[in-house]
Amino acid sequence: QKEVEQDPGPLSVPEGAIVSLNCTYSNSAFQYFMWYRQYSRKGPELLMYTYSSGNKEDGRFTAQVDKSSKYISLFIRDSQPSDSATYLCAMEAAGNKLTFGGGTRVLVKP
Amino acid sequence: DAGVTQSPTHLIKTRGQQVTLRCSPISGHKSVSWYQQVLGQGPQFIFQYYEKEERGRGNFPDRFSARQFPNYSSELNVNALLLGDSALYLCASSFLAGTGELFFGEGSRLTVL
Repeated sequence: QKEVEQDPGPLSVPEGAIVSLNCTYSNSAFQYFMWYRQYSRKGPELLMYTYSSGNKEDGRFTAQVDKSSKYISLFIRDSQPSDSATYLCAMEAAGNKLTFGGGTRVLVKP
Repeated sequence: DAGVTQSPTHLIKTRGQQVTLRCSPISGHKSVSWYQQVLGQGPQFIFQYYEKEERGRGNFPDRFSARQFPNYSSELNVNALLLGDSALYLCASSFLAGTGELFFGEGSRLTVL
């Protein structure tokens, strides 16, 4: 079993819809939680960074962390075709490496 | 401000050869990490360096090595290349080690034939 599980998709939504992404994890030592966006053949771009449980909002993006359920989510409101990309969740225990999910491919159709 | 820069962007090698990949972190960042991303998968941790010292190593064979220079730039070396080493090699930098807020470069795409 992988430490971080993420549905590979693709997740197809119409423009303007809410995109809902999630990851589950097994390592209770994780305390930093991140979401990255990766366009094809590009490096990952940091979208959201949260520490421990709770919600964080930044523009159209909302990240949620539920440590009791070992579950994190990312919501994208008013989705745009430019949001079409692969979204990677990543987690870190106190230390030195990120553990990534496999990524979810998102397609926002005009 | 310049982000994380990596070179070369693309390269093709044959099995058994050696490759060196280079990374310059964001100005002021002292930590550099290397990740391998195989097509269709998430990145996997290879190394982290902070203040020129190795802080962590992932589950990769000894054919993989790295170093960090006094100006905080870094090199990743891979010896005796195998077909399975074909991947996107990503460098990430952060101001501190162990905070999770990593900023990635565009990567070096290695193809081993």
